[in-house]
Formats: sequence, structure tokens, C-alpha cells
Amino acid sequence: QLRLQESGPGLVKPSETLSLTCSVSGDSNSIRGFYWGWIRQPPGKGLEWIGTVYYNSGRTYYNPSLKSRVTISADTSKNQFSLKMGSVTAADTAVYYCARHEGTAIAPGFDSWGQGSLVTVSS
Amino acid sequence: QSALTQPPSASETPGQRVTISCSGSSSNIGSNYVYWYQQLPGTAPKLLIYRSNQRPSGVPDRFSGSKSGTSASLAISGLRSEDEADYYCAAWDDSLSGVVFGGGTKLTVL
Repeated sequence: QLRLQESGPGLVKPSETLSLTCSVSGDSNSIRGFYWGWIRQPPGKGLEWIGTVYYNSGRTYYNPSLKSRVTISADTSKNQFSLKMGSVTAADTAVYYCARHEGTAIAPGFDSWGQGSLVTVSS
Repeated sequence: QSALTQPPSASETPGQRVTISCSGSSSNIGSNYVYWYQQLPGTAPKLLIYRSNQRPSGVPDRFSGSKSGTSASLAISGLRSEDEADYYCAAWDDSLSGVVFGGGTKLTVL
């Protein structure tokens, strides 16, 4: 069974960089060849796609509204995916989820999710 | 403001049928599949419908999805108290080259 676990600091200061890691465990056939995404949800608000990385090539896709501040990468040797978001403000306070895209395309069907990591931006 | 428009709330009594709408445009729903998620309080979203009308294994057939033009709907029949949750639609947007979500609909089972 696939398991996703987000990890990283729960508190980040304004203007600094938010860094999160998603560690994936399970059958290798359920990991390789898939697209892996980051989604966030501000407290009491809706879902926002941040971006996605393709396991096989490392190719990335970003939300245009966040692209200038975001870097997503994959460490296939560890089955880990990372998110870095720079110049954060209070508006970036949210629960950050990593998730797997269903199938072998970047369609917005996320069929496995981590439990989420709350990141608060505050001085 | 979300690219996909959902009603903020919906309500119905147990045993009844409720539909939740999701309105988009030609660049998202009009040309791509629609996906639906259920989010129970304090938990991660769960994929409910994929490719507009397909149910993942384990999702009851009380849940169904449909799409017509630039709009989509999620229908829940035989409503149960445990269906009380937030529901989100999502689609790929060709103009943005990215995933867009609806703002979510809070379903209350009266």
C-alpha cells in the first residue's frame, strides 16, 4: 500500500523559504512512472495546485501564479519529492499536501495523498 | 477567485439525492475530464470521481459524476450523515497549463 508523508518546518518567517519533503513508500511499481504533485489549502479555504514533478524525467509543471517562487524536484534514489517556495508571506500559510496523480499522465486526479503538513508563516 | 465555480453550500435530508454543480470554461471542463474530491473535516481530500464519471475502487455507486459542455455535476443518492463533507471539482486547464480546482461546496446532511 502506498504511503505518503510530508515533513518540514511548521513555522517559517516572512520573506524566507518554505521547504517540505514528501517521502513515499510502497510498491516501486506504484511510484515509478507516475506524476507527483503538491497541493495546498489555507485554513478554512479551498485547494490550490502548486505544481507537479514527473518521476521518470524530473520534468516539472507549475501553477503560473506561483511559478516564480516555487521549485519542485524529485530524488528518485530515496523516493522523495521536495517543494521549495521562496519569499513567503502570511498568505502562504496553509496545509501542504503531496499527492500522486492517478494513471500515467498529469491529469488532476490525485489518488493517493499524504496527511498534510501545516506551515505557518509568521515572525 | 477559482477557475471553476461551485455553490458554496448545499443541503439535503438523509435518503434523498443531492447534486453539486461545477461550472468552468472551454479551456478546462469544456475540453478535459472532471475530477471530484470529498474532504471530511481534518482529513486529506479523497478522490471520488475521475475522468468525469468513473469511480475508484471502494467508492460507493451512490456517487456519480457527469459532464455536459463546460459544466459538470456530482450526484449523491441515498444521502447519509457520513456524506457531510466538503466537495471539490478539478480539471486540467489548457490555457493555464495546470490543474484548477473549484472553490468547494460544503454539504450538510440535515
